[in-house]
Amino acid sequence: DADVTQTPRNRITKTGKRIMLECSQTKGHDRMYWYRQDPGLGLRLIYYSFDVKDINKGEISDGYSVSRQAQAKFSLSLESAIPNQTALYFCATSDSAGGSNEQFFGPGTRLTVL
Amino acid sequence: RKEVEQDPGPFNVPEGATVAFNCTYSNSASQSFFWYRQDCRKEPKLLMSVYSSGNEDGRFTAQLNRASQYISLLIRDSKLSDSATYLCATDSGGYQKVTFGTGTKLQVIP
Repeated sequence: DADVTQTPRNRITKTGKRIMLECSQTKGHDRMYWYRQDPGLGLRLIYYSFDVKDINKGEISDGYSVSRQAQAKFSLSLESAIPNQTALYFCATSDSAGGSNEQFFGPGTRLTVL
Repeated sequence: RKEVEQDPGPFNVPEGATVAFNCTYSNSASQSFFWYRQDCRKEPKLLMSVYSSGNEDGRFTAQLNRASQYISLLIRDSKLSDSATYLCATDSGGYQKVTFGTGTKLQVIP
């Protein structure tokens, strides 16, 4: 079984809809991240959480919100989806006890907003 | 200036060739450095961490130049299976959040 899972894997929705992307991990890591990837723009950090009570905005947090329900779960919400939020979304984890910041990624969610 | 910059490529090289990628970073406080490999429509996966002394893993060699603030990846004897996008990444200092470059696309040609 994958250590970092994301649901759904693909989603097509309409402008104005509320969407939630979910991420779960079995790695026991304390840190979790949400990125989006767009062609030519690379991976951009949306939000990150260093533990359950710690939530931080990344470089492109506008239009998004997150919830860290437990150490193993980190969800991303688009309150009112718009077409320019069409992208590939990745969740990632890392372990602060590991001495580095190696990121472990989920398989991604391909989101299309019409 | 972007925190992490890479030449997007594509680099088209024949099988067996040696190819090198560079990646520059702007934050002199960065502590950890990485190269990730990403196949089309897949998640990035760690290829190598980059250490101050440089490190080698088979055909892959990574080096760090702190004075000039860049990291490099050398791939020797390129294989068709090396075709992918290579992302460099570094933290913002103190092992905090990581910033990724936009990736360099490599296409190994038969």
